[in-house]
Amino acid sequence: KAGVTQTPRYLIKTRGQQVTLSCSPISGHRSVSWYQQTPGQGLQFLFEYFSETQRNKGNFPGRFSGRQFSNSRSEMNVSTLELGDSALYLCASSPDSSYNSPLHFGNGTRLTVT
Amino acid sequence: GQQLNQSPQSMFIQEGEDVSMNCTSSSIFNTWLWYKQDPGEGPVLLIALYKAGELTSNGRLTAQFGITRKDSFLNISASIPSDVGIYFCAGQPAGNNRKLIWGLGTSLAVNP
Repeated sequence: KAGVTQTPRYLIKTRGQQVTLSCSPISGHRSVSWYQQTPGQGLQFLFEYFSETQRNKGNFPGRFSGRQFSNSRSEMNVSTLELGDSALYLCASSPDSSYNSPLHFGNGTRLTVT
Repeated sequence: GQQLNQSPQSMFIQEGEDVSMNCTSSSIFNTWLWYKQDPGEGPVLLIALYKAGELTSNGRLTAQFGITRKDSFLNISASIPSDVGIYFCAGQPAGNNRKLIWGLGTSLAVNP
């Protein structure tokens, strides 16, 4: 079974631009979560989608948004990029949204903002 | 953002030694998870704990969910070179909330 696939693996953007990251979950998984990972803050929860609906949201500004499609694939968008948005963005999928449904992570998209 | 207190921050050990790391929180969690992350990859789930007091093993790894629901530890016995990596704890707050709170990681180096 293929794992969680994130594209692209690397991105370099300039301040003020916007970016869209893509995540394809494991086949059959309906829940997708997004995390931001930085050396200083560690992993911080961005949002979770289940059946095309956002179920939970972290404490990030409105510049960070996401969506989920009917095939469970998800995209994350960051508008008006800032230098501090440079990070590894991780997507994780799980079969459903219950508490004992463990997360399976992709290898992330490394975003660098210059 | 909110974080768990994970210690130690880093460890350098000899192959064959046992390793112990732990996480504490000021909040109660319903679930404790332990992940390992290798360079250039995403975290991989090692052990999941769902009940206070639960002790679970996965090969040479053993983890426990603290009775107070505010802490957890991970032990690795007889370490080998492929144990090198960063180990993260994560806690899931009450209320079926999938918003995991993470420790900053324990970086493990093993000298063959």
